[in-house]
Amino acid sequence: SQQGEEDPQALSIQEGENATMNCSYKTSINNLQWYRQNSGRGLVHLILIRSNEREKHSGRLRVTLDTSKKSSSLLITASRAADTASYFCATEGSSGGSNYKLTFGKGTLLTVNP
Amino acid sequence: KAGVTQTPRYLIKTRGQQVTLSCSPISGHRSVSWYQQTPGQGLQFLFEYFSETQRNKGNFPGRFSGRQFSNSRSEMNVSTLELGDSALYLCASSLFSNEKLFFGSGTQLSVL
Repeated sequence: SQQGEEDPQALSIQEGENATMNCSYKTSINNLQWYRQNSGRGLVHLILIRSNEREKHSGRLRVTLDTSKKSSSLLITASRAADTASYFCATEGSSGGSNYKLTFGKGTLLTVNP
Repeated sequence: KAGVTQTPRYLIKTRGQQVTLSCSPISGHRSVSWYQQTPGQGLQFLFEYFSETQRNKGNFPGRFSGRQFSNSRSEMNVSTLELGDSALYLCASSLFSNEKLFFGSGTQLSVL
């Protein structure tokens, strides 16, 4: 079963607006990562947040993590047409059997209209 | 530095055949993971190798197997192909663990 579930499944915004995507997961984690995928190609790592961190920034990206609610959000500020892609959250569990693998959500398809 | 290279990029097979996919990780990376991506199931973990040892395996039937060579290159094999095996197979490498994976462009497998 999927560990992470993104919300919304699809998001369409205008260039310059902010985009927020949410991710929920089910079990304890070591870290949570966000990846971007363009048109069925390989994924690109965006940002990693550890279980003991609450917020992290990287350029126009801001990620928050709430371990009590088992949820994370990804904010992309001042979006550009080039940000159009699918965004996935991925978790590495902290329990036995969860090591050395990431569990991905089904992703949010972001469309940024020029 | 060259990225993760997967070959072939596209593959068409028929049911019952077997297939081998190849992955060359980024130089110096010792961990290689494989994922299957389909529209219905999303990204599913297949297995992870580190220094030629499989450290974890996903919930796939025994028809799916893999290995890693001493130069960290990896192959995965699917025997007795089924229509449901049609998917994008993604390989990813990292230095040691699952923190920050670098993905290849994938092999698009179609089973007819």
